[in-house]
Amino acid sequence: NAGVTQTPKFQVLKTGQSMTLQCAQDMNHEYMSWYRQDPGMGLRLIHYSVGAGITDQGEVPNGYNVSRSTTEDFPLRLLSAAPSQTSVYFCASTQDGGNTIYFGEGSWLTVV
Amino acid sequence: QKEVEQDPGPLSVPEGAIVSLNCTYSNSAFQYFMWYRQYSRKGPELLMYTYSSGNKEDGRFTAQVDKSSKYISLFIRDSQPSDSATYLCATPTSGTYKYIFGTGTRLKVLA
Repeated sequence: NAGVTQTPKFQVLKTGQSMTLQCAQDMNHEYMSWYRQDPGMGLRLIHYSVGAGITDQGEVPNGYNVSRSTTEDFPLRLLSAAPSQTSVYFCASTQDGGNTIYFGEGSWLTVV
Repeated sequence: QKEVEQDPGPLSVPEGAIVSLNCTYSNSAFQYFMWYRQYSRKGPELLMYTYSSGNKEDGRFTAQVDKSSKYISLFIRDSQPSDSATYLCATPTSGTYKYIFGTGTRLKVLA
């Protein structure tokens, strides 16, 4: 039981490049989400999904896309990377009716 | 005004001290409150959660909610160097799984 797995752990991008952060969970959780964590800002919700085929925007969705084709996977796409997207990204999942958010280990992204 | 406010610290205490970590919130509809612990370069992990008002104890940790003043606290007794981490408070927005997090308080327990 691996929990929530994120890849890659570290990535450097050039401005304008696109990339996908991968997230997978093996706990059969319906609810998945992506957060970014910046100094002094805490964790901010980017996008979330309440089940396969259903996604919605969080607090800071601009510049990011998500899809949820299966219960297990919830990739986050950066369409055209900007230096303002330099951050640590966390994928998370929660069981329907549960109180616990399970976080991945994080992905450190630098945009130069 | 942020919906959940937390002093970012850092907070340094000697080993064995009692630590008090606090958050304030603005929306009286919030009912569940969680404390997450985040070690350096790791994802946050749930430490405790409480519902409504009152205290909840788990070993050296006590979570307290005061709904009248919209104040939540985490107390750590007999603090250990292994408690050195960032502690984040969180609450779900009413009826959803969208969680609001405080900015986190960085704690350092000195041996």
